[in-house]
Amino acid sequence: EDQVTQSPEALRLQEGESSSLNCSYTVSGLRGLFWYRQDPGKGPEFLFTLYSAGEEKEKERLKATLTKKESFLHITAPKPEDSATYLCAVRQGAQKLVFGQGTRLTINP
Amino acid sequence: NAGVTQTPKFQVLKTGQSMTLQCAQDMNHEYMSWYRQDPGMGLRLIHYSVGAGITDQGEVPNGYNVSRSTTEDFPLRLLSAAPSQTSVYFCASSYAGTGSSGNTIYFGEGSWLTVV
Repeated sequence: EDQVTQSPEALRLQEGESSSLNCSYTVSGLRGLFWYRQDPGKGPEFLFTLYSAGEEKEKERLKATLTKKESFLHITAPKPEDSATYLCAVRQGAQKLVFGQGTRLTINP
Repeated sequence: NAGVTQTPKFQVLKTGQSMTLQCAQDMNHEYMSWYRQDPGMGLRLIHYSVGAGITDQGEVPNGYNVSRSTTEDFPLRLLSAAPSQTSVYFCASSYAGTGSSGNTIYFGEGSWLTVV
């Protein structure tokens, strides 16, 4: 059974303090690992899709990397507006995503 | 483009009542799906559709019904609401196909449902 585990559950950083969020997965045949950002009261907002080990993608202060067993979301010099819950999911079939429970990130000014 | 649009945003139901959550997308996506999000559980797939007239069950389908008569719309019906169906519901859509060309799955803004 495909499983996704995110850590930590919550992370509090000072503005400018870089860190990483972890997503460990167990899947039979990876068809894509997705990262989403979710703000309170909103739907998940797409950030990245990674397909193969060694792949990296960047967007502003965010960088996602992928190995055979886990993915990292690196946040460089974060700002308060980066505060959100970050969700990781693996694709299981055409329209099926298996999600982790998310990491709630707070950036203090 | 409005993307994925869900209505209503908020709804309170009494136990045993029925209702329909509406979902529409204007991106001509073949695939559509419904998820529910509960504290500590993450998002879980309820039902999905790979095209008009084709639907299938996800991880937590009991108590829900779906149909897909058009490409644009994918309503979720609660047949007899129960307190356990209190949750936030998200509709999602994407293009068909595989590979690294994209297949980004887009989500709506959510529908908050409380069953009392």
